[in-house]
Amino acid sequence: QVQLQESGPGLLKPSETLSLTCTVSGGSISNYYWSWIRQPPGKGLEWISYIYYNGYTNYNPSLKSRVTISVDRAKNQFSMKLTSVTAADTAVYYCAREVIVGTNSHGFDIWGQGTMVTVSS
Amino acid sequence: ETVLTQSPGTLSLSPGEGAILSCRASQSVTSAYFAWYQQKPGQAPRLLIYAASSRATGIPDRFSGSGSGSDFTLTISRLEPEDFAVYYCQQYGTSPYTFGQGTKLEIK
Repeated sequence: QVQLQESGPGLLKPSETLSLTCTVSGGSISNYYWSWIRQPPGKGLEWISYIYYNGYTNYNPSLKSRVTISVDRAKNQFSMKLTSVTAADTAVYYCAREVIVGTNSHGFDIWGQGTMVTVSS
Repeated sequence: ETVLTQSPGTLSLSPGEGAILSCRASQSVTSAYFAWYQQKPGQAPRLLIYAASSRATGIPDRFSGSGSGSDFTLTISRLEPEDFAVYYCQQYGTSPYTFGQGTKLEIK
């Protein structure tokens, strides 16, 4: 059974760069879209970016200038970097898999447990 | 950006009752790219419904989705104690993907 596990620092200072990695276990990273989503404490969900296993990417315009997403097929991992973080970037960060069948998407069917990231001086 | 507005913000019901949750989009959404998720405290969201009306693997048939265009509905026919949670709608047909603000389903 496919599982996702986020890893990264729990605490950063303002202006630093957040680096997160999502490790895919129990299955291949190939042939799926992989997203990052975040959720500030007590608030709703915000989609950040996705990457296809071949490297095709898409970003939320609200974060595009600060986010880079990448994939490492050999390690079955994908990663995200968010530059110049502020307190507003404090959130639980999730990675998730999107299933595409033909031209149809079956939604985000598998999620990691999430990792809490706090930005504070 | 497609804004999704969920109503009501909070729904207070008793186990055994039925629940109807709504999601309205600021512009027409392709039904094939519309989903519902359930989130419990301290947990990641769980996919319930995709393509507006298709149940995800393992989801009980008391959960059903419907709608098209700008108006979508999640119906839970006989509430079980484990159904009390926050529910989010999502569109993933137009970038950026967006979520509604959530409906909290609480025990009355």
